[in-house]
Amino acid sequence: SQKIEQNSEALNIQEGKTATLTCNYTNYSPAYLQWYRQDPGRGPVFLLLIRENEKEKRKERLKVTFDTTLKQSLFHITASQPADSATYLCAATLEYGNKLVFGAGTILRVKS
Amino acid sequence: EPEVTQTPSHQVTQMGQEVILRCVPISNHLYFYWYRQILGQKVEFLVSFYNNEISEKSEIFDDQFSVERPDGSNFTLKIRSTKLEDSAMYFCASKRTTDTQYFGPGTRLTVL
Repeated sequence: SQKIEQNSEALNIQEGKTATLTCNYTNYSPAYLQWYRQDPGRGPVFLLLIRENEKEKRKERLKVTFDTTLKQSLFHITASQPADSATYLCAATLEYGNKLVFGAGTILRVKS
Repeated sequence: EPEVTQTPSHQVTQMGQEVILRCVPISNHLYFYWYRQILGQKVEFLVSFYNNEISEKSEIFDDQFSVERPDGSNFTLKIRSTKLEDSAMYFCASKRTTDTQYFGPGTRLTVL
């Protein structure tokens, strides 16, 4: 079955460092991947979208890569801040307009 | 900035009762979705809606569930006879065409 997998363990890093989160997919060829931030009790907030024909996307301190050979996306937050502490969700879709399939999310904790 | 809104933020109901969760998608969006997230679990797709009809639904979306777009602004999810296992956060999402899906803040449904 189609699976989106993210590190289940929380990622603890020091303020100012780069956080790198991983999203792997199996039995799947997504047309694009999206990364969302979710705070406790809140809805997912869109961060970045990357299409299958794109290698890398950037937005301010955020960067996402998409490697269709490795079947993996990496999400980077540079110069991390305590306010970046949240759960980060990876979601994939096969075609435009279709449902999103979410990973379980990775909890990021940035300590000052 | 336009955003998806949902009401109520929290709904408590007795098992077997009907509930209607309401969403106002972003105004020029064409695709509408419902997802749910049971506490501590992944965000799961329920149903997508386009051009006034269901375009895709998951196996969770059985005969107890229905969706409606009664006017040009609202999008509703009805659960006819709630069960304890329907307790979850329910998120509405919308998108324009090939863009990303934007999520609402969610409705926490508690079934007693």
